[in-house]
Amino acid sequence: QVTLKESGPAQVEPTQTLTLTCTFSGFSLSTSGMRVSWIRQPPGKTLEWLARIDWDDDKFYSTSLKTRLTIFKDTSKNQVVLTMSNMDPVDTATYYCARMDDRSGYSFDYWGQGILVTVSS
Amino acid sequence: QSVLTQPPSVSGAPGQRVTISCTGTSSNIGADYDVYWYQQLPGTAPKLLIHGNGDRPSGVPARFSASKSGTSASLAITGLQSDDEADYYCQSYDSGLTGLVVFGGGTKLTVL
Repeated sequence: QVTLKESGPAQVEPTQTLTLTCTFSGFSLSTSGMRVSWIRQPPGKTLEWLARIDWDDDKFYSTSLKTRLTIFKDTSKNQVVLTMSNMDPVDTATYYCARMDDRSGYSFDYWGQGILVTVSS
Repeated sequence: QSVLTQPPSVSGAPGQRVTISCTGTSSNIGADYDVYWYQQLPGTAPKLLIHGNGDRPSGVPARFSASKSGTSASLAITGLQSDDEADYYCQSYDSGLTGLVVFGGGTKLTVL
C-alpha cells in the first residue's frame, strides 16, 4: 500500500525559509521509474507544480520558483525534502507531495493528505 | 491565469452526462503530451481519475472517460451521481517556459 505524508511547520514568518518533508511507504525512490513531486494549492485556487526528484536523483523545478526551491531525497529514510526560501504571504497554501510512476505515465497516482502552511508575522 | 483553460463550473442532474473541457496550446496538449484528470472532493487531496492513454486506475468507475483532440481534451462523466460533486482538474506537460507540469484552473461540478 502506497502512502505519502507531508510534515513541517503550519506557520512561517515572511522572509523565512520553509522546510517540508514527505515521508512515504509502499515504494522505493531508488526503483527505476519512480519520482516524487511537490505541488501546492492556495486557498480556493488551482494546483501549482513546484518541483520533482527522480529515482536517479535528477531534479526539476518550476521555472517561476526555481531560484527559491531546493529538493533532495534520503532514500534510506524514504523521505523527500523541499525547501522554499524567502517566504511571502502569497505562498500561503496547502502543500502536497505526490508520487509519479512511469507505469502510470506522468500522472500523480498517489498523493499525501497535504499540509496547510500559512505565511504571516 | 492557468496554462490550461477549464470552465469554472458545470452542472447536471442525477443520471445525466456532463463534459469538462481543457484547452491548451501547441506546447502542451497540442504537442501530444498526455492529459490527466483529477477529482478533488472538499477538504481532500486530489485523486487520479484518468492516467496515460485515457486509462482509469483501479477503482475508478467506467462512468469516467476522457478524450483528446488537437490542443484540447475533455472529461466525460455519465450517469451523474451526487457524490460526483467536486472540483476537477486537468494536467499535462509543457515544453515551453512555464515549467514541466501544468494544471488547469479547475472546474466545479454541481449535481443539481
